[in-house]
Amino acid sequence: KAGVTQTPRYLIKTRGQQVTLSCSPISGHRSVSWYQQTPGQGLQFLFEYFSETQRNKGNFPGRFSGRQFSNSRSEMNVSTLELGDSALYLCASSGDRVGTEAFFGQGTRLTVV
Amino acid sequence: AQTVTQSQPEMSVQEAETVTLSCTYDTSENNYYLFWYKQPPSRQMILVIRQEAYKQQNATENRFSVNFQKAAKSFSLKISDSQLGDTAMYFCALLVSGTYKYIFGTGTRLKVLA
Repeated sequence: KAGVTQTPRYLIKTRGQQVTLSCSPISGHRSVSWYQQTPGQGLQFLFEYFSETQRNKGNFPGRFSGRQFSNSRSEMNVSTLELGDSALYLCASSGDRVGTEAFFGQGTRLTVV
Repeated sequence: AQTVTQSQPEMSVQEAETVTLSCTYDTSENNYYLFWYKQPPSRQMILVIRQEAYKQQNATENRFSVNFQKAAKSFSLKISDSQLGDTAMYFCALLVSGTYKYIFGTGTRLKVLA
């Protein structure tokens, strides 16, 4: 069974640009979550999608958005990039059972210059 | 609001020894789950162990076990017979049923010394 796949693995963008990150969950998983990981803040929850609907959202500005497609693949978009957006972005997928573990991808390392 | 606190930013342990990583959490909910995740230098997060709050019995997975003290809201991880491959960042996480989001602690960097 293939794991969670995130693309690309690395990105370098300039301030003011926008970026789209992609996540393919484990087959059969309908829940996809996104986290931002930085050395100072740890892992911060961005949002969670289930069957194309956003069920929960973290405390991030509106520049951060996401969506989920009918095949459960998910994308997150960050517009008007700022230097502080430099981070490791992790995607996780989960099965439907309540309290089930999250399976994480290897992340996308975004550097904003 | 839910919070997770890991008070040990870094720890080290000799190979084959035992080490305990601390985690405390706060939630007013009764139905929740606790996890320990490991993030090696390759950066992929891997589940180490999972505990259901309504179960009093502490979870164990081979060399890994937890000490779950519900009243004290404490969830420590014990690693026995430490191996070099255990070197990683360890994150404690809380999932409150129905919220669909994991709350992570800031992590403990564990180094196993040969």
